[in-house]
Amino acid sequence: DAGVIQSPRHEVTEMGQEVTLRCKPISGHNSLFWYRQTMMRGLELLIYFNNNVPIDDSGMPEDRFSAKMPNASFSTLKIQPSEPRDSAVYFCASSLRAGGIGNTIYFGEGSWLTVV
Amino acid sequence: DQQVKQNSPSLSVQEGRISILNCDYTNSMFDYFLWYKKYPAEGPTFLISISSIKDKNEDGRFTVFLNKSAKHLSLHIVPSQPGDSAVYFCAASFQGAQKLVFGQGTRLTINP
Repeated sequence: DAGVIQSPRHEVTEMGQEVTLRCKPISGHNSLFWYRQTMMRGLELLIYFNNNVPIDDSGMPEDRFSAKMPNASFSTLKIQPSEPRDSAVYFCASSLRAGGIGNTIYFGEGSWLTVV
Repeated sequence: DQQVKQNSPSLSVQEGRISILNCDYTNSMFDYFLWYKKYPAEGPTFLISISSIKDKNEDGRFTVFLNKSAKHLSLHIVPSQPGDSAVYFCAASFQGAQKLVFGQGTRLTINP
């Protein structure tokens, strides 16, 4: 079974450039999450969608970050303009909201972003 | 404001011994807790979970303990194996919320 698919796996870009990260969630999952991993803060939730609708974007660092989910099988996270402090691993994850207690989310392999 | 904290950035254990990873949380609304394991250059993978109605959940070599009064959970791995060397993340959520709040992670190294 295909898991969460992210692209690109690695991206090196110059400061000021636009960066777009892409994600295809697991088929049938109705929730999608964007996380960022840094040494200091571990895994931070940036934004999540339920049924393609953004539910909580309180983790988005600033206006330079934006995320979209135009359909159930695709999402993007965009950084414009990028800065060196945005260098991190960005993970996309998805889950099936089934109600009740408990929610296990499944991660992609991550997009390693370096802004120089 | 770190609601889930893993205060030990790293832990080194000898092969065959018990590994104990700890996690503390501050939000009493959390009712579901999970541990994820992460190898280098890979995404985190789900390992084991526990709901707040239990105080222990066991799956093979892995056991998670929950102490609600202390707002503390721990992951026990016994016996530890070299393949257990990874970063372990503790995570929590509460009913009605789909998002998981993660700790900073603990890097576990199992020495032969």
